[in-house]
Amino acid sequence: SQQGEEDPQALSIQEGENATMNCSYKTSINNLQWYRQNSGRGLVHLILIRSNEREKHSGRLRVTLDTSKKSSSLLITASRAADTASYFCATARGSNYKLTFGKGTLLTVNP
Amino acid sequence: DGGITQSPKYLFRKEGQNVTLSCEQNLNHDAMYWYRQDPGQGLRLIYYSQIVNDFQKGDIAEGYSVSREKKESFPLTVTSAQKNPTAFYLCASSGTFTGELFFGEGSRLTVL
Repeated sequence: SQQGEEDPQALSIQEGENATMNCSYKTSINNLQWYRQNSGRGLVHLILIRSNEREKHSGRLRVTLDTSKKSSSLLITASRAADTASYFCATARGSNYKLTFGKGTLLTVNP
Repeated sequence: DGGITQSPKYLFRKEGQNVTLSCEQNLNHDAMYWYRQDPGQGLRLIYYSQIVNDFQKGDIAEGYSVSREKKESFPLTVTSAQKNPTAFYLCASSGTFTGELFFGEGSRLTVL
């Protein structure tokens, strides 16, 4: 069963613009994570935000979490062509050992 | 370099054959996972193991089997009972209580 749903499914922007992706989930969580996947490759962990945190930064990434709305957003600032990838949110419920992934947002950054 | 190694990267199988995908990690992680990814889809959990000699079914375990005889290794067998095995298979590991997953580069299985 899919817990997280990303929105939009696809996003196309120009280099230098900001990209915002959203994730909604259905039940309470321990933490929410964002991953990146280049075409045909494995996933790479970007950032983890715990249920008691509201915002977290890592380089050009900013993640927010609103547990009352059961939603999270990932903002990539000053995007680059190399940011072109699929981005997935994943939620951890109960045991941290088991993550549930959404279907992802395909981000295309045009040079 | 620490990481997760999956092999083979590409695999072709005839219908009715079993095939085993290898996953090895040198991160000293206790937990290991197998996910399946279909085109345009998210990841679905097949099996996971929190400790050696123990593993649990995920959301889509039917037609798959695993073993965890060593901490470093978590092979996945796709059996002939799996009705639609063509997919991209991803192995991952995590340290105890961290939650962050480290992924291999994946194995793409095609049934001919």
